[in-house]
Amino acid sequence: GAVVSQHPSRVICKSGTSVKIECRSLDFQATTMFWYRQFPKQSLMLMATSNEGSKATYEQGVEKDKFLINHASLTLSTLTVTSAHPEDSSFYICSASPQGSFAKNIQYFGAGTRLSVL
Amino acid sequence: AQTVTQSQPEMSVQEAETVTLSCTYDTSESNYYLFWYKQPPSRQMILVIRQEAYKQQNATENRFSVNFQKAAKSFSLKISDSQLGDTAMYFCAFMNSGYALNFGKGTSLLVTP
Repeated sequence: GAVVSQHPSRVICKSGTSVKIECRSLDFQATTMFWYRQFPKQSLMLMATSNEGSKATYEQGVEKDKFLINHASLTLSTLTVTSAHPEDSSFYICSASPQGSFAKNIQYFGAGTRLSVL
Repeated sequence: AQTVTQSQPEMSVQEAETVTLSCTYDTSESNYYLFWYKQPPSRQMILVIRQEAYKQQNATENRFSVNFQKAAKSFSLKISDSQLGDTAMYFCAFMNSGYALNFGKGTSLLVTP
């Protein structure tokens, strides 16, 4: 099956620093990737939709200047949490849809990144 | 906006028994997709089953099947012959026209020996 690699799996950083999370589709090309945030014992909340070669579409309430998303190639999307603060601590998950799969509407998920801001 | 409701925060079932997880949704769209995802303690999201709204036939994947009632906007998941490895959070999800997933709050399923 399709594999999505997310790195790092866990990161601890100091308040005020920036952290980059990578999401790669290993065996398929992904026109669209999605970024979700999950608080402990809660559901996944969509943060933004990332389209290759264009600006990301952010959900209401998500600060685009704090959560920078870049989708420079068909296999890589990155999420940068800028000037991180303790309230940004969370579990971040990416997903990717294979090109041409919209008729099947399948998303494959990365294993997630646990961000802890001290 | 679509809403997805899972009314059972926690459920428990004995090994080899059958359990049904409930999900209802609200949408004004006529063509859409519904999914059940499993999130074990590792937190890796795993697709369990999906249903295309225009198909009347209920989807089935081995021990997993759904009861899709479009008019009632209901999409329940039945797990037959439950196994210990089925212990996980189960999320019902609706895919909108923008292809993003809208998740319910989840049901924590515990399979006991």
